[in-house]
Amino acid sequence: AQSVTQLGSHVSVSEGALVLLRCNYSSSVPPYLFWYVQYPNQGLQLLLKYTSAATLVKGINGFEAEFKKSETSFHLTKPSAHMSDAAEYFCAVSEGNTGFQKLVFGTGTRLLVSP
Amino acid sequence: GAVVSQHPSWVICKSGTSVKIECRSLDFQATTMFWYRQFPKQSLMLMATSNEGSKATYEQGVEKDKFLINHASLTLSTLTVTSAHPEDSSFYICSAGGGTGLGGDGYTFGSGTRLTVV
Repeated sequence: AQSVTQLGSHVSVSEGALVLLRCNYSSSVPPYLFWYVQYPNQGLQLLLKYTSAATLVKGINGFEAEFKKSETSFHLTKPSAHMSDAAEYFCAVSEGNTGFQKLVFGTGTRLLVSP
Repeated sequence: GAVVSQHPSWVICKSGTSVKIECRSLDFQATTMFWYRQFPKQSLMLMATSNEGSKATYEQGVEKDKFLINHASLTLSTLTVTSAHPEDSSFYICSAGGGTGLGGDGYTFGSGTRLTVV
């Protein structure tokens, strides 16, 4: 079974600083990988996804992630944090890469941005 | 883009009553619907997967008689929490698979329902 590990339940950065949220996955098949953001009492919004195309994936709001098969990682980065980036971030992997397979989520990382 | 409308956004009900949560795909056909449950400050736990016109597949440990899922059309899926108890209080989120592309192109999440059972 596939799994996702997000290192760090909380990450604190200053406004303007680099954001790095870590995600490692385990999968027996080529995975689809996702990063989602969740604001309080809201659903999940897709930031970006990897679906076996380019390994460097650019998403919305200035976020990007790089798929590294050798490290089984899919870390999320943003060069300069904004206050509005404060939220919960989830990394997810799909079981299988055909059709609509269920997503397995990591435990989430809360990003705190200070002025 | 694809939109999933989830209602209600919050509901308070008395213990022993039933609550129905609806998810509608507004501009695409949702061939597959996933229902998740999220406890405070925790991740999403998949409850069940349903395909239009078929019985839902429940994850291990999820009571199928308590959490009734209906996916009778390509645009509507419902989750009914029957005989709700305070321990059922949680945030419930649906996710629809459909629209353009496979896999990642097609997962669209509803805005969630906060259920409080008193």
